[in-house]
Amino acid sequence: AQSVAQPEDQVNVAEGNPLTVKCTYSVSGNPYLFWYVQYPNRGLQFLLKYITGDNLVKGSYGFEAEFNKSQTSFHLKKPSALVSDSALYFCAVRDPLTGTASKLTFGTGTRLQVTL
Amino acid sequence: DAGVIQSPRHEVTEMGQEVTLRCKPISGHDYLFWYRQTMMRGLELLIYFNNNVPIDDSGMPEDRFSAKMPNASFSTLKIQPSEPRDSAVYFCASSWSIKTGESTGELFFGEGSRLTVL
Repeated sequence: AQSVAQPEDQVNVAEGNPLTVKCTYSVSGNPYLFWYVQYPNRGLQFLLKYITGDNLVKGSYGFEAEFNKSQTSFHLKKPSALVSDSALYFCAVRDPLTGTASKLTFGTGTRLQVTL
Repeated sequence: DAGVIQSPRHEVTEMGQEVTLRCKPISGHDYLFWYRQTMMRGLELLIYFNNNVPIDDSGMPEDRFSAKMPNASFSTLKIQPSEPRDSAVYFCASSWSIKTGESTGELFFGEGSRLTVL
């Protein structure tokens, strides 16, 4: 069974500082990994994904994520945080070996708070 | 494309009443998912469809919940009778099948329907 863990309920960072939101996963095969962001009273929005290839993937709003197979991690990063980045972030995983279903397993979410 | 469209955005009802939430997926998507989000339980997958056929409804809480997808462009989630513990934000999401070669499985979410049962 596939699973994903987000060990931090909340991450606090000052504007202009780098941010990291952590995610670890467990799948039986090579994972498809995703990050989503949810702003207040909005649906989840796709940020970026790792399927194959370069371990560093770039996404929307200046975010990037690094796939580390040995540590089974897919941490979300941004070099310089903005107050407007404050939101709820979800990591998700899909195991391609489970077939064609697009069923993603989501983490519990990490609230990012960026302050001035 | 307008994205996944959900209605109503907000619903306030009294315990015992029937609630129907609606979803229009993105045109061409052949998977549709219903999720529920609460502070206590986070994001829960309730049911998903492929080509209008329910594939996995193991997340549906109980018999009070039912979902249908009569055609490729419309789905409903019904709660009858509703209870206060059903209060949550319900999300609909859609995606392409990975087999089409056009998708790697990312979901596209609607804005959600916030349900309050008094």
